[in-house]
Amino acid sequence: GENVEQHPSTLSVQEGDSAVIKCTYSDSASNYFPWYKQELGKRPQLIIDIRSNVGEKKDQRIAVTLNKTAKHFSLHITETQPEDSAVYFCAAVNSNSGYALNFGKGTSLLVTP
Amino acid sequence: SQTIHQWPATLVQPVGSPLSLECTVEGTSNPNLYWYRQAAGRGLQLLFYSVGIGQISSEVPQNLSASRPQDRQFILSSKKLLLSDSGFYLCAWSIAGGGTDTQYFGPGTRLTVL
Repeated sequence: GENVEQHPSTLSVQEGDSAVIKCTYSDSASNYFPWYKQELGKRPQLIIDIRSNVGEKKDQRIAVTLNKTAKHFSLHITETQPEDSAVYFCAAVNSNSGYALNFGKGTSLLVTP
Repeated sequence: SQTIHQWPATLVQPVGSPLSLECTVEGTSNPNLYWYRQAAGRGLQLLFYSVGIGQISSEVPQNLSASRPQDRQFILSSKKLLLSDSGFYLCAWSIAGGGTDTQYFGPGTRLTVL
């Protein structure tokens, strides 16, 4: 089955700096890669996703890149703000054969003022 | 628009007691439904998913079971809870069809087994 590795497990940045979270996956057939943000005690919220037919996607301060050859994808947050502090999860799935998202173990991001 | 509900929001149960958590989705038909568990400070573990009424797939063998008695209702049950069943239980849905698509999570049930 799919195995998703996520790094780092914790990340501390100063407000205004950029943050990068990286994930690798094992199943070359995976074709859908969402990122979720989870604030303390709340549900995970989808913040951005990418499908394997594109290499990069941006939404304001958030971007995701995908390297299918290397089987890794990354989340980039620019101009970080304290409200970006949360746990971020990456996931991967082959949407043609599977239903279950395979999640990384999460990255706890702390943005200090 | 679609809405997903879970109840109860919090639950404290003794070891060995039964469990029933409910999830319902509004605003869509024949959704794919999922149950996840998140232990304190940990990632998300898929427990069950369903692509239709009465169709349940289990990802991890354990003392939990799931049922889908109606199109938009997903129930997680246990006959006897263990201490290790404590956690944050999240229901999620996605649009029906071949394979998965974006999954949207419910507000969750925080279960403490004492």
